[in-house]
Amino acid sequence: GAGVSQSPSNKVTEKGKDVELRCDPISGHTALYWYRQSLGQGLEFLIYFQGNSAPDKSGLPSDRFSAERTGGSVSTLTIQRTQQEDSAVYLCASSFSPRATEAFFGQGTRLTVV
Amino acid sequence: QKEVEQNSGPLSVPEGAIASLNCTYSDRGSQSFFWYRQYSGKSPELIMSIYSNGDKEDGRFTAQLNKASQYVSLLIRDSQPSDSATYLCAVRPNTGGFKTIFGAGTRLFVKA
Repeated sequence: GAGVSQSPSNKVTEKGKDVELRCDPISGHTALYWYRQSLGQGLEFLIYFQGNSAPDKSGLPSDRFSAERTGGSVSTLTIQRTQQEDSAVYLCASSFSPRATEAFFGQGTRLTVV
Repeated sequence: QKEVEQNSGPLSVPEGAIASLNCTYSDRGSQSFFWYRQYSGKSPELIMSIYSNGDKEDGRFTAQLNKASQYVSLLIRDSQPSDSATYLCAVRPNTGGFKTIFGAGTRLFVKA
């Protein structure tokens, strides 16, 4: 596709359930980022992938959060045993390389935990 | 201390005025600085990037960087109502790797 694609666009889940959020970056982009944005807040860094290197997981808030990137392309962010405080918009971004000027964002997945 | 700090605003300016948005960062070794604009309900989009001390101009936008003071700003000249948005300052710390840290953003309102 032409841009970063995220799915689903909206997800409502019950507390305690697991959810998977998907990100399909722009073709050829080697760097991929996940951020979380709570209502009225800035972007909170979660995890960063670069090519085949070990990801930078320093932003993951707890061990309930994990992410993987298969084949250097599509990424999945998994949240286990969701809590109400996990409710937020989860944004994925990709860039051509780590040193590239611009990261392009997807439209995000709005997660609501009820 | 937050890694990237911004005044949350809202900042309100009349149409045609200059809007000044400010940002400070904690990692003195940071090398890359970005300003993103985010309209309500939309994703952030890059406006400006700056890497060297001084000013960088692009149309109505000017980014200013002062590494000694750990300060970066964005000036918007001839502000328009369409500039009303949240402006996010982003910094790549010099801590290894290339993750980008965002500030909480400043909400700007341009009154017609």
